Amino acid sequence: GQQVMQIPQYQHVQEGEDFTTYCNSSTTLSNIQWYKQRPGGHPVFLIQLVKSGEVKKQKRLTFQFGEAKKNSSLHITATQTTDVGTYFCRHDGGATNKLIFGTGTLLAVQP
Amino acid sequence: DTEVTQTPKHLVMGMTNKKSLKCEQHMGHRAMYWYKQKAKKPPELMFVYSYEKLSINESVPSRFSPECPNSSLLNLHLHALQPEDSALYLCASSQPDRGGYTFGSGTRLTVV
Repeated sequence: GQQVMQIPQYQHVQEGEDFTTYCNSSTTLSNIQWYKQRPGGHPVFLIQLVKSGEVKKQKRLTFQFGEAKKNSSLHITATQTTDVGTYFCRHDGGATNKLIFGTGTLLAVQP
Repeated sequence: DTEVTQTPKHLVMGMTNKKSLKCEQHMGHRAMYWYKQKAKKPPELMFVYSYEKLSINESVPSRFSPECPNSSLLNLHLHALQPEDSALYLCASSQPDRGGYTFGSGTRLTVV
């Protein structure tokens, strides 16, 4: 089946530092979505990317979809303690129609 | 209304009990989902309903039985669960085949 790996699994940063998580697929993706889950909370939808090479920004967050549509990244500039949580990518799995979450990256931010 | 409401928030049940988890949304979404999430793991898809019809069952054991009475409601009936079924059960909704999912806050289930 399709595998969606995220790296790193865990990252600890000082407040104000930047953070990036990567989502990598073995096959071409039709689209990719990003979610944030705070500790003890539920996943919250952040954004969807559809086009090859697409870049979208939300304040300090920048999302990219690779040219080959096999990878994506989420970059946070100048992290804040409110950014703490696990960031998941999710894709629709193409022809298999499986709705797959990536393995997630847990971000810890030290004030 | 932009929320997915799940009840109960917490549930403790014995292995011989029968219980139901409930999920409700009023956003006009025609796809609804059940996910199971263990600690420190991503959500794992269980069932998908599209236009009130079951479209995906991810080989879930029959002790979990979903039901979609109408376009706003989704239930998950539980019977004879095992301790390893203890997890956070998340309901989500979306428009079919497009857009992001809106998740409920989940039911934290403990099987004793």
